[in-house]
Amino acid sequence: GQNIDQPTEMTATEGAIVQINCTYQTSGFNGLFWYQQHAGEAPTFLSYNVLDGLEEKGRFSSFLSRSKGYSYLLLKELQMKDSASYLCAVRKAAGNKLTFGGGTRVLVKP
Amino acid sequence: DTGVSQNPRHKITKRGQNVTFRCDPISEHNRLYWYRQTLGQGPEFLTYFQNEAQLEKSRLLSDRFSAERPKGSFSTLEIQRTEQGDSAMYLCASSFGTGDGYTFGSGTRLTVV
Repeated sequence: GQNIDQPTEMTATEGAIVQINCTYQTSGFNGLFWYQQHAGEAPTFLSYNVLDGLEEKGRFSSFLSRSKGYSYLLLKELQMKDSASYLCAVRKAAGNKLTFGGGTRVLVKP
Repeated sequence: DTGVSQNPRHKITKRGQNVTFRCDPISEHNRLYWYRQTLGQGPEFLTYFQNEAQLEKSRLLSDRFSAERPKGSFSTLEIQRTEQGDSAMYLCASSFGTGDGYTFGSGTRLTVV
């Protein structure tokens, strides 16, 4: 089976940086995904890591350590529109099914 | 192509009734997934198809749930004898092969009263 843990909620100030951690235990691993989900909307793809290291995409970066079963999503220069839930998801080696964590709700305050 | 389309957007039904949802994936995507999401939780996997073949079905999916993808294009998810615990957002997603992440539809919100 798979176990994916991420904090339930985080609060940060506009313009600041927030780091959302995700730890996972899985019997197979073929990639870790981060999705953003605004309230009442569908999740949208943010980033994908399959090898160790940092992937940077504009204000968002994602890091992976496979040996530690650990990833984080870094959101820089926070904007009010970044208030959303952020979902960590793991893909096992077999097939393409994603297993999601419970999501981290980020609230950006002025 | 306008992305993954789900219908209806909202469905209110009485307990014990049957409901059916439809998902139209991105046309070139061969994989289609159904997830269920309740408030404050991440999406839970229900089932997925590669073309018309149903390759995996979650243990969460009771016998009241059935999904089809008859021609490898659109899919339907049927829930028979609905229960209040079935109230959730039902999300459909599609992908091409195994190398990509998913594209999600906007979901169907089911309320069982």
